[in-house]
Amino acid sequence: GAVVSQHPSRVICKSGTSVKIECRSLDFQATTMFWYRQFPKQSLMLMATSNEGSKATYEQGVEKDKFLINHASLTLSTLTVTSAHPEDSSFYICSARRQGLGTGELFFGEGSRLTVL
Amino acid sequence: EDKVVQSPLSLVVHEGDTVTLNCSYEVTNFRSLLWYKQEKKAPTFLFMLTSSGIEKKSGRLSSILDKKELFSILNITATQTGDSAVYLCAVPQNAGGTSYGKLTFGQGTILTVHP
Repeated sequence: GAVVSQHPSRVICKSGTSVKIECRSLDFQATTMFWYRQFPKQSLMLMATSNEGSKATYEQGVEKDKFLINHASLTLSTLTVTSAHPEDSSFYICSARRQGLGTGELFFGEGSRLTVL
Repeated sequence: EDKVVQSPLSLVVHEGDTVTLNCSYEVTNFRSLLWYKQEKKAPTFLFMLTSSGIEKKSGRLSSILDKKELFSILNITATQTGDSAVYLCAVPQNAGGTSYGKLTFGQGTILTVHP
């Protein structure tokens, strides 16, 4: 079964609204989670690294005020797309690494498909 | 800047065919290369390669790494329709620390297997 859960799996919203996506590690603690974005027919692009108890670190070109990340507990990170616009429509995927294991045990969530009308 | 390039970008075959997917990379502080399979949702892990010349196998899938040529291939023999997916190649961006898990992905190869 899934060890990293994302919710919601699909969301449709109006332009200008904010949308929150949750990423949970189900049976392990993750001090670090990663948020990726995938546009249709393109690969995954890392957006930011979510750090439990501290600020997220964003990749170049990703607006931190646009994509708010909160990692308030060892099992939950949230990504909030603020004032969403149609160009933010994308597939958002989180991943988490189980402590003590190599990158081979990097688990991905099922993804959240955002459509902004 | 780390770079991962996959080829071909798409491939259409018939059941029973054998396919070879390619991945080349340029990365500082190379540690490993990863292959994932993505079917509509999140990627699922296939292989992690760290050493040159050692083939990893899982059923009909196998993969090998050439660290001298900065290249990896993923082979699928006797393809089935269920192999239809996007195959992604990725390398970690850093050698360690809390950032271990930041991956640079290639563009992916879209494999379509017809009955």
